[in-house]
Amino acid sequence: QVQLVQSGAEVKKPGASVKVSCRTSGYTFTDYYIHWVRQAPGQGLEWMGWINPNSGGTMYALRFQGRVTMTRDTSISTAYMDLRRLRSDDTAVYYCARAWGGTSRGWFDPWGQGTLVTVSS
Amino acid sequence: EIMLTQSPDTLSLSPGERATLSCRASQSDSSSYLAWYQQKPGQAPRLLIYGASSRATGIPDRFSGSTSGTDFTLTISRLEPEDSAVYYCHHYGTSPRTFGQGTKLEIK
Repeated sequence: QVQLVQSGAEVKKPGASVKVSCRTSGYTFTDYYIHWVRQAPGQGLEWMGWINPNSGGTMYALRFQGRVTMTRDTSISTAYMDLRRLRSDDTAVYYCARAWGGTSRGWFDPWGQGTLVTVSS
Repeated sequence: EIMLTQSPDTLSLSPGERATLSCRASQSDSSSYLAWYQQKPGQAPRLLIYGASSRATGIPDRFSGSTSGTDFTLTISRLEPEDSAVYYCHHYGTSPRTFGQGTKLEIK
């Protein structure tokens, strides 16, 4: 079955960077876009951007531009989200999700299990 | 940017009752790029409805979605205790993708 398995929890200091991985299985990795969404403690869902695993093309939400980079390694069917210059308000659970339908404009299914990133001095 | 406003913020109902959750979009969109997700504590969101009214695979037919203009509705008939969760609507047709703020459904 289709699965997205993310890397483990991270604790970072303000100003540092974090790289979260999303390993996929059960389908052809390059056929579906991957989106990244985050959720601060007790808060709602916030979209960060997407990557096209086939071309490597990306689109980022305006508020993350300049701080986020999404990449992929097709040889191991894995997508990555790199967030730099971390602040305390970046503390959140970060999710990857597959967009249905082979374009970026698909609903998200399934989702990874989430990766908690804690930013604290 | 299409903003989504969900109502109510919290809903408290008894098993067997019917829940009606609303999601209003800030602008009209000729396509129905609207999904609903269920999220339980400590879990990732789970797809319930896509295309405003199509049920995802494995979702019970107690869950249904509908639309009227910029208003979208998720209806859960015959509530069960395991339906207790936060429900989010999501517009996936334009950038940035957006989510409603969520409706917390409590089963008494």
